[in-house]
Amino acid sequence: QKEVEQDPGPLSVPEGAIVSLNCTYSNSAFQYFMWYRQYSRKGPELLMYTYSSGNKEDGRFTAQVDKSSKYISLFIRDSQPSDSATYLCAMSADTGRRALTFGSGTRLQVQP
Amino acid sequence: EPEVTQTPSHQVTQMGQEVILRCVPISNHLYFYWYRQILGQKVEFLVSFYNNEISEKSEIFDDQFSVERPDGSNFTLKIRSTKLEDSAMYFCASNIRGTAYEQYFGPGTRLTVT
Repeated sequence: QKEVEQDPGPLSVPEGAIVSLNCTYSNSAFQYFMWYRQYSRKGPELLMYTYSSGNKEDGRFTAQVDKSSKYISLFIRDSQPSDSATYLCAMSADTGRRALTFGSGTRLQVQP
Repeated sequence: EPEVTQTPSHQVTQMGQEVILRCVPISNHLYFYWYRQILGQKVEFLVSFYNNEISEKSEIFDDQFSVERPDGSNFTLKIRSTKLEDSAMYFCASNIRGTAYEQYFGPGTRLTVT
């Protein structure tokens, strides 16, 4: 079983739609959960991070963590064509380790 | 807004040659990282560095790789004898507190080994 799994997409939605992006993981030691956005041939850009379980909201973005199900989500409200990118989840254990374990990324296309 | 920068953006080298990839982390950041992304695959952790020492490395980071902070601003990744399978995007990242979160990535260097 892969440590972090993410549906590769592509996910195509119309402008204004609510987008749901998800990752599952197998390592119960993961405590920090990050979402990065990556445009083509660019570096990952940090969007949000959460610690342990719960929700976090930042503008149009909401991150959710369900540790009991080992499942994390990123919701994008009122999606825009500029949101078209690959979204990467990343995780790390709370053991002083700093290495991030990434998902394979979901490619999102928001159609105008 | 401060950014991590990387040079060159694209490096082509022949198998067996040494390459040095350069990064300038965000100026007040103290922890530095290298990751790589082989085309079509996940971003993978290579190494973290703090206070002129490697603090963590992955299985990928074998004796062919080394890192250095040669001066107060640059952070380098050296691959001693490149192999075809080293072809990838290499990303530098940095943060202030050395936490798993709030790692800020540079734009990457695309390394092509022929």
